[in-house]
Order: sequence, then structure tokens, then C-alpha cells
Amino acid sequence: QKEVEQNSGPLSVPEGAIASLNCTYSDRGSQSFFWYRQYSGKSPELIMFIYSNGDKEDGRFTAQLNKASQYVSLLIRDSQPSDSATYLCAVLRAGTALIFGKGTTLSVSS
Amino acid sequence: EAQVTQNPRYLITVTGKKLTVTCSQNMNHEYMSWYRQDPGLGLRQIYYSMNVEVTDKGDVPEGYKVSRKEKRNFPLILESPSPNQTSLYFCASSYAESSYNEQFFGPGTRLTVL
Repeated sequence: QKEVEQNSGPLSVPEGAIASLNCTYSDRGSQSFFWYRQYSGKSPELIMFIYSNGDKEDGRFTAQLNKASQYVSLLIRDSQPSDSATYLCAVLRAGTALIFGKGTTLSVSS
Repeated sequence: EAQVTQNPRYLITVTGKKLTVTCSQNMNHEYMSWYRQDPGLGLRQIYYSMNVEVTDKGDVPEGYKVSRKEKRNFPLILESPSPNQTSLYFCASSYAESSYNEQFFGPGTRLTVL
């Protein structure tokens, strides 16, 4: 089983809809979880991190963590065409090594 | 401006010709790391460094070397590049003392080995 798994997509949603991105991880001892956004040809940029079970909201973005199910998700409300990008889930391994999923490509159509 | 810089941004080279990709950060970060990104494989860590003179292998270290002689610089060295090292390379840095620290990424270096 891969350490961090994501559906590659593409996930297509209409403008204004909610986009739901999912991620599962294999190491039950993982403590910190990150969502990065990467536009084509650009470097990843951090959107959110979460380390406690439950929801964490920041503007249009909500990260959800369920450690029992080893599941992390990112919800994007009122999706905009500018949200079209690849979203990378990352899990912090022991120390500071970030393990990335392969990413989910999101396409928001206007 | 706080940033991670990489040079060169684009490089086309030939098999066996040694090359160095430089990485520098101005945020006084202890932790620095190199990743490669390939279609279908995602971001994979090559090497990382927890501080000056402290480096360790990531998941795909074969064919690469690094050094950390100064806190701000973390060059990636390919002693004898091969075509399977054609990839997009990212350097990243962060503070080391917390698990919640954001890793800042450089702009990337697109390497083609012919």
C-alpha cells in the first residue's frame, strides 16, 4: 500500500460548486497533514495544514481529518476557475520528511 | 522578500556531464530538501538536510549527491547524469523545530538529459 494515496482525477466541477478532494494514508502514527496547490509548471504552495481530528476552515477551504479512518479531505466551496490546479496531499513522516500523494487534478468550468 | 531560489531554471545536458543545481534560501531555515517530480509518480524526496553538515537520503537518492556547508545553500549534484534523471526538480526549506511548519518551495529546475 502506498503511503499517501489520492485519486488522480481529473475532478471536474462547475463554477460555484463544492469540490471534494480525498486522501488516505497508511502510517497510523502520522501526526500532521498538509494540502498543497500546484498550478501547471509552478511550485507547490501550501493551502492548509491540519493535525487534529475534525474540521479546519480557512475562507473557502475546509480540511477534514479522521485519524481512525486514516483519511484527510479538502473541500473547496464556491469553486472558481482559478482553483483549477493539482492538489497535493502530504503527510509528515517522523522528523520533517513530507510524503506526497500523486495529486488530484481539479478542473472548474465557468 | 522571503524566498527559495534555484539555478538554473532550465537545463539541457548530455549523459555523463557533471552538473550542479543550486538552491538558496533567505529565511534562516534549518531544514532543506530536494524533490523530483515526474508524471504519474508525484513528488519524491531525493535528499534532505536538518542543518549544516547534516544530510540524509530520501526515497530516491541514487545518482545524486548533496552538501550543506552553509545554512542558506543546499546544492544538488549529478556526477554522471543519465536520461532517467530527466525531471522537474524542486528545492524546499522550512524551520525544523515544529511539525506544523510550512515547507517553502523554490520555482523548480527543469532538467533534460540527452
